[in-house]
Amino acid sequence: DIQMTQSPSSLSASVGDRVTITCQASQDISTYLNWYQQKPGKAPKLLIYDASNLETGVPSRFSGSGSGTDFTFTISSLQPEDIATYYCQQYDDLPLTFGGGAKVDIK
Amino acid sequence: QVQLQESGPGLVKPSQTLSLTCTVSGGSISTGSQYWSWIRQPAGKGLEWIGRIYASGSTNYNPSLKSRVTISVDTSKNQFSLKLTSVTAADTAVYYCARGTDIVEVGSWFDAWGRGTRVIVSS
Repeated sequence: DIQMTQSPSSLSASVGDRVTITCQASQDISTYLNWYQQKPGKAPKLLIYDASNLETGVPSRFSGSGSGTDFTFTISSLQPEDIATYYCQQYDDLPLTFGGGAKVDIK
Repeated sequence: QVQLQESGPGLVKPSQTLSLTCTVSGGSISTGSQYWSWIRQPAGKGLEWIGRIYASGSTNYNPSLKSRVTISVDTSKNQFSLKLTSVTAADTAVYYCARGTDIVEVGSWFDAWGRGTRVIVSS
């Protein structure tokens, strides 16, 4: 299985701050990497697909980059509604696997 | 816009079989190269992909659960189902159904999710 390692596992930041989360794959996955947002009690929501493509309707403050084994997810200006846990997911090989999540709170 | 809705018992006894159904509305389960997955999340933990099915009936399962999992599809009802046998407390989780589309050989992203259904395994 391809292991996906996210860091940090949690962070606190102020409204307006730039927030960065990383995801490292245990092997080269090209750009086959997606990012999801999950708010408490809700299903995950797709934000970024294929490493850097913004899903329709998702605010432009969210972005993704990377290829190979190292990926970055960024919120350019943290908003109160961005409080959530963020997951990466690879689709280079079966089984499809997710990172452990990164919980984002407001400081 | 496609919507997915999970249904099934919220309580299952240890050693019994967990059975859930996902009903798809707003679109056909047989459309194009879409696949239909089950994903679970124990309380306070991360997401685990259980497996998927295509409208053709072709399936792929997570090796960690393969011996206990069966996913089936009923295209006439626009539904797909999950059966997980010999459950233990470790199978207690929120179970989600979700849609993916084949972009590359292995798959792609999940762009539609059900709300999830909580299943507790307890006597």
